[in-house]
Amino acid sequence: DAKTTQPTSMDCAEGRAANLPCNHSTISGNEYVYWYRQIHSQGPQYIIHGLKNNETNEMASLIITEDRKSSTLILPHATLRDTAVYYCIVRVASTGTASKLTFGTGTRLQVTL
Amino acid sequence: NAGVTQTPKFRILKIGQSMTLQCTQDMNHNYMYWYRQDPGMGLKLIYYSVGAGITDKGEVPNGYNVSRSTTEDFPLRLELAAPSQTSVYFCASRRAQDRTNEKLFFGSGTQLSVL
Repeated sequence: DAKTTQPTSMDCAEGRAANLPCNHSTISGNEYVYWYRQIHSQGPQYIIHGLKNNETNEMASLIITEDRKSSTLILPHATLRDTAVYYCIVRVASTGTASKLTFGTGTRLQVTL
Repeated sequence: NAGVTQTPKFRILKIGQSMTLQCTQDMNHNYMYWYRQDPGMGLKLIYYSVGAGITDKGEVPNGYNVSRSTTEDFPLRLELAAPSQTSVYFCASRRAQDRTNEKLFFGSGTQLSVL
């Protein structure tokens, strides 16, 4: 699986958009980009994933560059409850065996008043 | 809507003691996983299972054992606890059918200290 690089930490003012970058320059054509977050002391929570196209759901938007070497997770209106560690993970689609998503150290997002 | 349930939430063990961390899910998921998370670090996969009766090692299996007798339950056993096993343990599950959506559902974790 391709390696990912994320900033260690970021700050965002409440109500503003939080844009979390992820670099995955060695990504291959069949690898998906996943985003999870972990609020303090809780288990990680799935946010969104994508392959080539931009994706949006009720939690966030995922923008993947045309060359797929980087992506950005966007929280459109960050709240204090979005303070968490955000993990960007690149993973080949499952071939029938159990996935083994690898969680790095992620980006610690601090949302402030 | 319980999802993935882990017990206990906290536990303190003495070196050499044994214990079982319980994990159960009510979503009829075939795949289940155990991760550990050391302070300030990411999650590391200990063991996983693709279904009842089938288990396999992850990245850091030494010192642990698992079993999967039912679809719902995936207990993690520590036989001889060591200080290096002080960590937060997370259990997770997902549907086997979702090959292009590896959406894991996590439990709330068990915080284990070995002294």
